[in-house]
Amino acid sequence: DSGVTQTPKHLITATGQRVTLRCSPRSGDLSVYWYQQSLDQGLQFLIQYYNGEERAKGNILERFSAQQFPDLHSELNLSSLELGDSALYFCASSPLRGGTYEQYFGPGTRLTVT
Amino acid sequence: GQSLEQPSEVTAVEGAIVQINCTYQTSGFYGLSWYQQHDGGAPTFLSYNALDGLEETGRFSSFLSRSDSYGYLLLQELQMKDSASYFCAVRSMYSGGGADGLTFGKGTHLIIQP
Repeated sequence: DSGVTQTPKHLITATGQRVTLRCSPRSGDLSVYWYQQSLDQGLQFLIQYYNGEERAKGNILERFSAQQFPDLHSELNLSSLELGDSALYFCASSPLRGGTYEQYFGPGTRLTVT
Repeated sequence: GQSLEQPSEVTAVEGAIVQINCTYQTSGFYGLSWYQQHDGGAPTFLSYNALDGLEETGRFSSFLSRSDSYGYLLLQELQMKDSASYFCAVRSMYSGGGADGLTFGKGTHLIIQP
């Protein structure tokens, strides 16, 4: 158990809908990262927040957005969902701003878009 | 852009030694990480190399050659529980100005035979 929690574990929704994935980092970790894992694209970095502010952006679509709240939990919002958005979404956390090399991954949310 | 190449699948025998190679192309390279992921599970951190040379952690060792943009993960005394996917990942500069989001290879599926 990494100490990172994600809810829900599974999510099934229809195309065009909007969903919110939630992540609570390990106690004391200020950085939260979101990753998408699909069979064809592998593990892809989406976005990072540090202490409430956006820190780095990866291959995140404009239909996706995220935020980190004062209690450090983070939410990833996915809108206008398409079949291709079906994937495992992982949240990871780490204690340091930059300079970090170990990230602790949550169990993931499996999103299925029908 | 960034890219990493690793074999898609490696087969080894229980008790033996196996090496998983990774070559990368990236700008602003900071270090190479290795993660293990069992089917349906979350990636878990194994090791990190920022400097050339070998890092040893129990049965696992990781090597980096920055001049060759190459690294490998060495697993010794293989056990059946080592059957999993292994990912190399680079830390490098992103457009956000940080070095935090990881770029992952496609993963190597390690099959252990009795």
